[in-house]
Amino acid sequence: KQEVTQIPAALSVPEGENLVLNCSFTDSAIYNLQWFRQDPGKGLTSLLLIQSSQREQTSGRLNASLDKSSGRSTLYIAASQPGDSATYLCAVHMYSGGGADGLTFGKGTHLIIQP
Amino acid sequence: DTGVSQDPRHKITKRGQNVTFRCDPISEHNRLYWYRQTLGQGPEFLTYFQNEAQLEKSRLLSDRFSAERPKGSFSTLEIQRTEQGDSAMYLCASSRQGAHGYTFGSGTRLTVV
Repeated sequence: KQEVTQIPAALSVPEGENLVLNCSFTDSAIYNLQWFRQDPGKGLTSLLLIQSSQREQTSGRLNASLDKSSGRSTLYIAASQPGDSATYLCAVHMYSGGGADGLTFGKGTHLIIQP
Repeated sequence: DTGVSQDPRHKITKRGQNVTFRCDPISEHNRLYWYRQTLGQGPEFLTYFQNEAQLEKSRLLSDRFSAERPKGSFSTLEIQRTEQGDSAMYLCASSRQGAHGYTFGSGTRLTVV
């Protein structure tokens, strides 16, 4: 059974710093990996989707990398801003289907950017 | 494309009452998923539809839960005889078949008192 772990569970940094959020997964035979952002009491917003054949994806100040063989992904946030404060969730998709093995989430990293 | 819509946003109900939630997926997405999220946890899979067929249900989905997706469009999730343990955020997502990501709605927060 796939297990996804996110480290750290919480992180508080001053505005302007670059930071890295980590995600690890136990079964490396993944189909793709998706990073989400969740604001308090809200739904999930997709940030980046990395296919299993890709090494990284970039969107603005966000860069996500994937090392499938070691079961790791990182989300890099450059020049952090208070508006980046949220919970960041990593989810791995095991295969092209959509069932219980479709998308497995970590518990998230709760990020606070201090003004 | 207005994204995935969920209704209501919030629901407070008394224990023992029935509740129903609605999800409208992105129109060209043939797959629809329901997830449940409790405080401090990641979302957990409940059930999944491809078009109108419910293909898989989690063991988390007890007999009090039922989901439908008539005509492969919107979906409803009903909880009968609600219990306090049902309090959670219920998230709906949709996707196209293949190597595509999921798009989530804003969720329905259920509080059972």
